[in-house]
Amino acid sequence: GAVVSQHPSWVICKSGTSVKIECRSLDFQATTMFWYRQFPKQSLMLMATSNEGSKATYEQGVEKDKFLINHASLTLSTLTVTSAHPEDSSFYICSATRRDRGYEQYFGPGTRLTVT
Amino acid sequence: DAKTTQPTSMDCAEGRAANLPCNHSTISGNEYVYWYRQIHSQGPQYIIHGLKNNETNEMASLIITEDRKSSTLILPHATLRDTAVYYCIVRVDRDSSYKLIFGSGTRLLVRP
Repeated sequence: GAVVSQHPSWVICKSGTSVKIECRSLDFQATTMFWYRQFPKQSLMLMATSNEGSKATYEQGVEKDKFLINHASLTLSTLTVTSAHPEDSSFYICSATRRDRGYEQYFGPGTRLTVT
Repeated sequence: DAKTTQPTSMDCAEGRAANLPCNHSTISGNEYVYWYRQIHSQGPQYIIHGLKNNETNEMASLIITEDRKSSTLILPHATLRDTAVYYCIVRVDRDSSYKLIFGSGTRLLVRP
């Protein structure tokens, strides 16, 4: 199967600072990458979709200036939470699709963000 | 976007079949039904997907009703490692990509 990694696996930051989360496809080139957020005991909510070299498409209600997505290569996408606040504390999960199996999204292990 | 409705929780005995229902009454004709599962604090794992016909793979079977308003995921011989939250999802196509709309999920507990 295809492997997607995320770094860091967990992070604690102070309110007002920015945090960057990396998502990498380790053994395939990702045609599209997705970013989700999951609050405790809740389902996953799609935040944005990004293609390499293109601007991300954000879902309704997701602030573009707060959640910056950069998809610089076919194997790397980054999510930067700017000016983080305690309400941004959540589990952030990325996924990626590959060209020959576009019907399946391969999910990363997630990054737990805690803002104090 | 189409939504899915699932029971909050279910349980079954180890070795028995687990049948997880899902309602998606507003699904459109070209929208796929997907199932993923998530073990605590991990990323979701793909199980199976289908459009109209029933599907089977090494993990599970997917039964979709003829009117496509509901489906059932069947784990034929549940094991303790199948304990997880199972998400029934509708795939919405857009431009050159698609998005997955996750339901609330069913927490399946497999009992020894």
